[in-house]
Amino acid sequence: DAKTTQPTSMDCAEGRAANLPCNHSTISGNEYVYWYRQIHSQGPQYIIHGLKNNETNEMASLIITEDRKSSTLILPHATLRDTAVYYCIVRVRAAGNKLTFGGGTRVLVKP
Amino acid sequence: KAGVTQTPRYLIKTRGQQVTLSCSPISGHRSVSWYQQTPGQGLQFLFEYFSETQRNKGNFPGRFSGRQFSNSRSEMNVSTLELGDSALYLCASSPFPGTINTGELFFGEGSRLTVL
Repeated sequence: DAKTTQPTSMDCAEGRAANLPCNHSTISGNEYVYWYRQIHSQGPQYIIHGLKNNETNEMASLIITEDRKSSTLILPHATLRDTAVYYCIVRVRAAGNKLTFGGGTRVLVKP
Repeated sequence: KAGVTQTPRYLIKTRGQQVTLSCSPISGHRSVSWYQQTPGQGLQFLFEYFSETQRNKGNFPGRFSGRQFSNSRSEMNVSTLELGDSALYLCASSPFPGTINTGELFFGEGSRLTVL
């Protein structure tokens, strides 16, 4: 699986959009980008995933650059409950249910 | 719909003992994966089961084992506990092995094991 690089931490103001970057410069053509988050003392929660097109769901938007070497997770209106560690994961389709988690980005949403 | 249920939530053991953790997946989900989370190593994949068969295994010693029952419930066992086994053990379920369509795993809240 491709290696990902994320900032260690970032702050965000409540009500504002939070833009979480992820670099995956060695991504292969058959690898997807997944985002999970882990709120303190809870199990990780799936947010969104994509291959090359931008994706949006009720939680967030995923913007993948045309060369697929980086992506951005956008939380449109951050709330205090969005404070969590966010993990960007890149993996092939046939990797089973094995996810390789890196260090993630610790996001603190401030009032 | 009930989520993934893990028991016990907290437990304390001493070195050399063994422990068994249980995971009940979401109803209808047939795949169960286990992860270990420690402050030093982060989240690491242990193994994955589907239809009572281990489909994938992480890089852990043989002291870590698991199994899945016909009702998809799963257990993991750690024998001869070491201090370094203190961790949050997370179980995740999905409808099929390698949910390539959704990439979505549903995690439980974990079992926190402390080894003294």
